[in-house]
Amino acid sequence: DTEVTQTPKHLVMGMTNKKSLKCEQHMGHRAMYWYKQKAKKPPELMFVYSYEKLSINESVPSRFSPECPNSSLLNLHLHALQPEDSALYLCASSQEASGVPDTQYFGPGTRLTVL
Amino acid sequence: AQKVTQAQTEISVVEKEDVTLDCVYETRDTTYYLFWYKQPPSGELVFLIRRNSFDEQNEISGRYSWNFQKSTSSFNFTITASQVVDSAVYFCALSEAGSGGYNKLIFGAGTRLAVHP
Repeated sequence: DTEVTQTPKHLVMGMTNKKSLKCEQHMGHRAMYWYKQKAKKPPELMFVYSYEKLSINESVPSRFSPECPNSSLLNLHLHALQPEDSALYLCASSQEASGVPDTQYFGPGTRLTVL
Repeated sequence: AQKVTQAQTEISVVEKEDVTLDCVYETRDTTYYLFWYKQPPSGELVFLIRRNSFDEQNEISGRYSWNFQKSTSSFNFTITASQVVDSAVYFCALSEAGSGGYNKLIFGAGTRLAVHP
């Protein structure tokens, strides 16, 4: 089973709203990722959690706040977003062995629209 | 610096045609991994293949085949007898071996494939 689930599938929010995106995997993977994808562009890495610790923050604005409550769950808290933050947000996970990049498996994504 | 180039922005074919998607990569590392992902209109990135830099054997999986050539830094993807369901954006990606329990993928710009009936 290589399933990563994401909720919600679609989200529309105003610039003053606070919302959260959720991601879940039950494959025993120890690395989880958030990507942002604009239309007709490749995914851009935002954050990486490895063994529930934030390992990479790709200079993402503080209005995006990641959280990894446990090894199966990954959240992305959104606050005071801008219209240019509208995009597809993808979650991924991978089972990492030391020094060997494992395959990242992606969820279906959340399509976010900021009004 | 690492880089992945997919020079073909869009390809349009008629069903049953064979089509090859090109991928050229740059890296200074001797150990690295290459991937292909498919992204249908629904949005999910679907993993297709992972290849490490020490394995230059070509691979075939049904109608899909991959040609890895280190001499030209290319990892091309061929779909034989294309079908409408193959219509999607295809991404080639590069990852370096490293420590830390995670990896970073460097994506190409993607190739949009349209297969017409």
